[in-house]
Amino acid sequence: NAGVMQNPRHLVRRRGQEARLRCSPMKGHSHVYWYRQLPEEGLKFMVYLQKENIIDESGMPKERFSAEFPKEGPSILRIQQVVRGDSAAYFCASSPFATNEKLFFGSGTQLSVL
Amino acid sequence: AQKITQTQPGMFVQEKEAVTLDCTYDTSDQSYGLFWYKQPSSGEMIFLIYQGSYDEQNATEGRYSLNFQKARKSANLVISASQLGDSAMYFCAMREGQTSYDKVIFGPGTSLSVIP
Repeated sequence: NAGVMQNPRHLVRRRGQEARLRCSPMKGHSHVYWYRQLPEEGLKFMVYLQKENIIDESGMPKERFSAEFPKEGPSILRIQQVVRGDSAAYFCASSPFATNEKLFFGSGTQLSVL
Repeated sequence: AQKITQTQPGMFVQEKEAVTLDCTYDTSDQSYGLFWYKQPSSGEMIFLIYQGSYDEQNATEGRYSLNFQKARKSANLVISASQLGDSAMYFCAMREGQTSYDKVIFGPGTSLSVIP
């Protein structure tokens, strides 16, 4: 039973390019969370999605960032026109239902913007 | 407003000793869940322990126990018999509302160093 899969593990982009981060939740999990971690800091909540629905996007910057979790396929976090300040580790977590006692985390995607 | 507070940015403990990592939280909900995660230098997030607000007993998982004091809104992590591999960042987290679609938020973390 594969865990939460994130790819790519490392992503390098130049300023102004687009970054697409993918997250495949564990089998049977329909709830996905995205977090951002800056160096030496904790995890900051970005967005919470259920299949085809955005439940809570209160942590997402208003511009350039978007997320989706389609009926089929992985969840995608998309960052348009990246800037150096977007450089961070982006973690995805999943759970089988809303009140689960555990979030299962992926290994993260390290985004570096040159 | 900060909902999870971890007042110890860095802690040191002698190998084989016990250590307590502090966590206080702020919520007006009666129903919520508290988590602790470990993040070693490799970066992955490792689940350690969970406590529901209605659980009457403190949660325990092997060498980890959660000292839950509901009235004080604290959920301290106790690690017994520290090992060198326990050196890592430790994050306290909370989910508000066990019956609703609420996000899980994390505290700023505590860096633990185990000294041989």
